[in-house]
Amino acid sequence: GAVVSQHPSRVICKSGTSVKIECRSLDFQATTMFWYRQFPKQSLMLMATSNEGSKATYEQGVEKDKFLINHASLTLSTLTVTSAHPEDSSFYICSATLGSGGPLEQYFGPGTRLTVT
Amino acid sequence: QQQVKQSPQSLIVQKGGISIINCAYENTAFDYFPWYQQFPGKGPALLIAIRPDVSEKKEGRFTISFNKSAKQFSLHIMDSQPGDSATYFCAASGANNLFFGTGTRLTVIP
Repeated sequence: GAVVSQHPSRVICKSGTSVKIECRSLDFQATTMFWYRQFPKQSLMLMATSNEGSKATYEQGVEKDKFLINHASLTLSTLTVTSAHPEDSSFYICSATLGSGGPLEQYFGPGTRLTVT
Repeated sequence: QQQVKQSPQSLIVQKGGISIINCAYENTAFDYFPWYQQFPGKGPALLIAIRPDVSEKKEGRFTISFNKSAKQFSLHIMDSQPGDSATYFCAASGANNLFFGTGTRLTVIP
């Protein structure tokens, strides 16, 4: 149980275009989903927290107009990287929690490798 | 500011040996301490987790030791195997967010 999927697993796009990444909880309803970014050989950096039906909460330094997050249902959250640039190339990982409140047990997706050329 | 400090950065262990990774935290409000295992190109997978009301938790070859007074916790991998070679992240959670350590790249030599 507690499986999270991401699509696509890899994407290459040209500079200036936008790309959408989907995150789905397959066998549970996720009240909260998180989006992380990970550079090579580094730890995960939290970008934003999204709750179903409400606006995402972005971490300091993350441009909300560039990284659009939509959490339309309890099983789907999307991250859209708008006007992508080469410096946006990274490994993007989502996670989802089973419940709300108290300690968080986060289950992670397999990640999406974004390369902007 | 790094909420969770992790060491060592890298670790090489012989097959059959014990791998030990240490983490420390400052925020006493943290109440959930998971460990994640990550293989290259994959997302982190929850390995084992502990709450502060216990001092040790064991699942198979993996054991978490937790010292609340010292605000430290560690992961012990017994009988380490080449398949355990991966990056391990400790984390600590408060009410809303999960804070990750910087990661330890473990290599188990056959």
